[in-house]
Amino acid sequence: GENVEQHPSTLSVQEGDSAVIKCTYSDSASNYFPWYKQELGKRPQLIIDIRSNVGEKKDQRIAVTLNKTAKHFSLHITETQPEDSAVYFCPSGGYNKLIFGAGTRLAVHP
Amino acid sequence: DTGVSQNPRHKITKRGQNVTFRCDPISEHNRLYWYRQTLGQGPEFLTYFQNEAQLEKSRLLSDRFSAERPKGSFSTLEIQRTEQGDSAMYLCASSSGGATNEKLFFGSGTQLSVL
Repeated sequence: GENVEQHPSTLSVQEGDSAVIKCTYSDSASNYFPWYKQELGKRPQLIIDIRSNVGEKKDQRIAVTLNKTAKHFSLHITETQPEDSAVYFCPSGGYNKLIFGAGTRLAVHP
Repeated sequence: DTGVSQNPRHKITKRGQNVTFRCDPISEHNRLYWYRQTLGQGPEFLTYFQNEAQLEKSRLLSDRFSAERPKGSFSTLEIQRTEQGDSAMYLCASSSGGATNEKLFFGSGTQLSVL
């Protein structure tokens, strides 16, 4: 099955700085790349996703970029705020089910 | 509330007892998933349904676990002879299961504590 590696496992930034989380995949046939956010004690929620026919997608302060040649996609958060503190996941799998790794724990310090 | 609903929110049980959780998905969603999550880990896939058909079950899932979705709407997850290692958050998710890749909508989960 698809193998996705996510880095870093933890990330600490100052409020207002940018944060970047990167995921590398192995299956060149992969065509869907979602990002989920899970705040402490809350359910995971989809925050942004991208399909393989698009190189970048933005939604306010968050963006996802896809590099199909290098087989990686990244989550970019600009002007970070304390409420961005959460665990972020880039699950693999696609159509039938999503497989989640341990994610990236982002801490935004005031 | 049009989101995914799970009951109960918390369950405390003694080792060896059976427990059952319920999940009510978003009404028009035909796919329903069960995941398990422990502290510091991501959600671990357990099983999923397309309507009433259980299409896949994790190989890691003990035969003490069984899930049903009899009418293609709500689902139940039963754990027989619970063990302390079963303590976790059990998450249900649903999706529309359309022709393109799907977005999962998670419930708030059932926190199981096995004493």
